[in-house]
Amino acid sequence: KAGVTQTPRYLIKTRGQQVTLSCSPISGHRSVSWYQQTPGQGLQFLFEYFSETQRNKGNFPGRFSGRQFSNSRSEMNVSTLELGDSALYLCASSLDRGENTEAFFGQGTRLTVV
Amino acid sequence: GIQVEQSPPDLILQEGANSTLRCNFSDSVNNLQWFHQNPWGQLINLFYIPSGTKQNGRLSATTVATERYSLLYISSSQTTDSGVYFCAVYPGGGADGLTFGKGTHLIIQP
Repeated sequence: KAGVTQTPRYLIKTRGQQVTLSCSPISGHRSVSWYQQTPGQGLQFLFEYFSETQRNKGNFPGRFSGRQFSNSRSEMNVSTLELGDSALYLCASSLDRGENTEAFFGQGTRLTVV
Repeated sequence: GIQVEQSPPDLILQEGANSTLRCNFSDSVNNLQWFHQNPWGQLINLFYIPSGTKQNGRLSATTVATERYSLLYISSSQTTDSGVYFCAVYPGGGADGLTFGKGTHLIIQP
């Protein structure tokens, strides 16, 4: 069974641009969550999607958005990139709603904003 | 929101030693997981353990939900055990996703 797949693995963007990251969950999993990891703030929750609906959102500005498709694949978008958005973005896949089941993480997308 | 504290923050041991990592949380939780982050950044699942005790080879974990802590035991450490260990909880009430501790950075020396 394939694991959680995130693309691209590495990305370099310029300040002010926008970026879209993709996450394909484990087959059969319906919940996808996104997390940001930085040296200063650690791992922080961005948002969770279940059955194409956003369930929860963390404390991040509106520049961070996401969506989930009918096949459970998810994308997150960051607009008007800032230097502080440089981070490792991790996607997690769960069979059911996040609080009920184990989360499995992808390898992450490392975003550098210059 | 819920607070998750891990201790110790750093731990240096010789190969073959045993270690105990602790995770304290400030409120009731729906689930608790332990992860090992590899050098490439991926979080590797170790245990899904909202309560009770589980064992997997040289690793075991215990969560006492009523007392709001979890312990990860590593026995007969190997150099490949080096890395950062994270505890993450899903707060009761179902909001806010997984909340992570700051991690324990473990270095196993040969």
